[in-house]
Amino acid sequence: DAMVIQNPRYQVTQFGKPVTLSCSQTLNHNVMYWYQQKSSQAPKLLFHYYDKDFNNEADTPDNFQSRRPNTSFCFLDIRSPGLGDAAMYLCATSRDHVGGNWNQPQHFGDGTRLSIL
Amino acid sequence: DAKTTQPPSMDCAEGRAANLPCNHSTISGNEYVYWYRQIHSQGPQYIIHGLKNNETNEMASLIITEDRKSSTLILPHATLRDTAVYYCIVRAKHGSGNTGKLIFGQGTTLQVKP
Repeated sequence: DAMVIQNPRYQVTQFGKPVTLSCSQTLNHNVMYWYQQKSSQAPKLLFHYYDKDFNNEADTPDNFQSRRPNTSFCFLDIRSPGLGDAAMYLCATSRDHVGGNWNQPQHFGDGTRLSIL
Repeated sequence: DAKTTQPPSMDCAEGRAANLPCNHSTISGNEYVYWYRQIHSQGPQYIIHGLKNNETNEMASLIITEDRKSSTLILPHATLRDTAVYYCIVRAKHGSGNTGKLIFGQGTTLQVKP
């Protein structure tokens, strides 16, 4: 059974029209991550939530925002999508560090592929 | 920036062992070596990780050199379904403000052939 669920798998939006991607998890992990993966490139971390604490990567554009209303759900909001934002968006979760060590793997969803018209 | 170096592509015959190398010469003592793979149109899948000892699970074995500057992921009997991009990642073990984030490099595209 899928443990990190991303909906929808494919999303089409218009240039400049706000779009929201969703992620839910059944693992009760306290850390949730959003990655962007452009065609033929490796995933790139945008930001993450450690419980309710939001942590933005330094080079993540302001156009990207996130919300986490509860442990199970996390949303990625793109306020004004440009053509360059077309990509696969991946959500991942992990447990808190155990014994002070980050030795718990991240679990990924299958992503939402976003297209911009 | 990614702290690992991997060959961009490798081929392997079906049923044979696939040995995927990774260099991480600047790894520090508090960093784990993680391996993930990504099959086309899917999210990355965790395979295995280790600190300094060799590790084995149902998917693969991880061999880490004594100086920890390189490692090898071994798929003992590769199948066509193992065709994927394999990522070797070093991940900070702990530390103030550390988020346990993964920084992906370009990975190795493994093609398993019949």
